[in-house]
Amino acid sequence: DGGITQSPKYLFRKEGQNVTLSCEQNLNHDAMYWYRQDPGQGLRLIYYSQIVNDFQKGDIAEGYSVSREKKESFPLTVTSAQKNPTAFYLCASSTRTGVGANVLTFGAGSRLTVL
Amino acid sequence: KNEVEQSPQNLTAQEGEFITINCSYSVGISALHWLQQHPGGGIVSLFMLSSGKKKHGRLIATINIQEKHSSLHITASHPRDSAVYICAVSGGGADGLTFGKGTHLIIQP
Repeated sequence: DGGITQSPKYLFRKEGQNVTLSCEQNLNHDAMYWYRQDPGQGLRLIYYSQIVNDFQKGDIAEGYSVSREKKESFPLTVTSAQKNPTAFYLCASSTRTGVGANVLTFGAGSRLTVL
Repeated sequence: KNEVEQSPQNLTAQEGEFITINCSYSVGISALHWLQQHPGGGIVSLFMLSSGKKKHGRLIATINIQEKHSSLHITASHPRDSAVYICAVSGGGADGLTFGKGTHLIIQP
């Protein structure tokens, strides 16, 4: 079955460490997105990518980095520069054009806790 | 940037009750989405609509483009409907959706 796989589901990090969250999709979607979810807040866009080897900053990109070397993969690195990284991170994908554009398929999420 | 407001923030109801969740937005959109997030965190898309009304099982979504308002209704609610319901809008841009904060629904047996 097609879908999005995020890993790890839970991750603990010490302050000052970089961590990378994995996102893989087999839906043949061009567009991929990373969102951050905090209690009581809506999902906020960190980075998005419309095609391989291209990505754009979202609303809260500071302290994060991404790469898009393959269509299926869009890993997110939470760097030590991110001041408050404890959050729930969601990866999503969609087609880039047509009826399915902006109909997002979500991964199950990764919960990052900084100790 | 679009502002998406949902109400109520929290809703507790008894099994069988008719549920209404509201969503309003500030700027014209190309489509509005209703999403469901279960306690484990995964999100699924329920509806995408740009006009009128859509129905799927016990769920009904309506949108009034002129008033910039949408409602999600659940008929004959059941404890398994307990979840966070999220409204999101798309403006047709490449950056995807703008999300509301969600409505936390609990259906008690």
